[in-house]
Amino acid sequence: DADVTQTPRNRITKTGKRIMLECSQTKGHDRMYWYRQDPGLGLRLIYYSFDVKDINKGEISDGYSVSRQAQAKFSLSLESAIPNQTALYFCATSDSRQLSYEQYFGPGTRLTVT
Amino acid sequence: AQTVTQSQPEMSVQEAETVTLSCTYDTSESDYYLFWYKQPPSRQMILVIRQEAYKQQNATENRFSVNFQKAAKSFSLKISDSQLGDAAMYFCAYRLTLTGKLIFGQGTTLQVKP
Repeated sequence: DADVTQTPRNRITKTGKRIMLECSQTKGHDRMYWYRQDPGLGLRLIYYSFDVKDINKGEISDGYSVSRQAQAKFSLSLESAIPNQTALYFCATSDSRQLSYEQYFGPGTRLTVT
Repeated sequence: AQTVTQSQPEMSVQEAETVTLSCTYDTSESDYYLFWYKQPPSRQMILVIRQEAYKQQNATENRFSVNFQKAAKSFSLKISDSQLGDAAMYFCAYRLTLTGKLIFGQGTTLQVKP
């Protein structure tokens, strides 16, 4: 079984709709991250969480919100989706006890906003 | 602010040959980690290799090695004996020391020709 899972894997939605992307992990890591990938821009950080009560904005948080329901679950919401939020979204986890803070990525969610 | 630049959007290599992907970064930190991630068409982000800045020795993982030039802030990836399965997009990433966040480059698409 995958250590970091994301649901859904693909989603098409319409402008103005609310959508939630979910991430779960079985690695026991304390830190979780949401990134979006756009062609030519690499991955950019949306939000990150050090633990359930510690959530921080990344470089492109406008239009997004998150919820850390438990140590193993971190959800990303688009309150009112717009076409320029069409992208590939990744969840990642890391363990603050590891010196390298190596991040482990989920399989990604392809989101299309029409 | 830290930045990561990959100046080669696309590269190609003949099967069994060697190819080097370039990455430069900017930082004022003295201790940090650098990573190369591979993203095949399956879109999964796979860690290829990591380098700790305080280690002078270049990291090596089987056919993958890095040329880490700390003073020049350069971190290139060398792939030896290229295989068809190496075809993918490759991302260079810098890990921020305090938060563990990753700053990614724009990516380099590697084509392997049979």
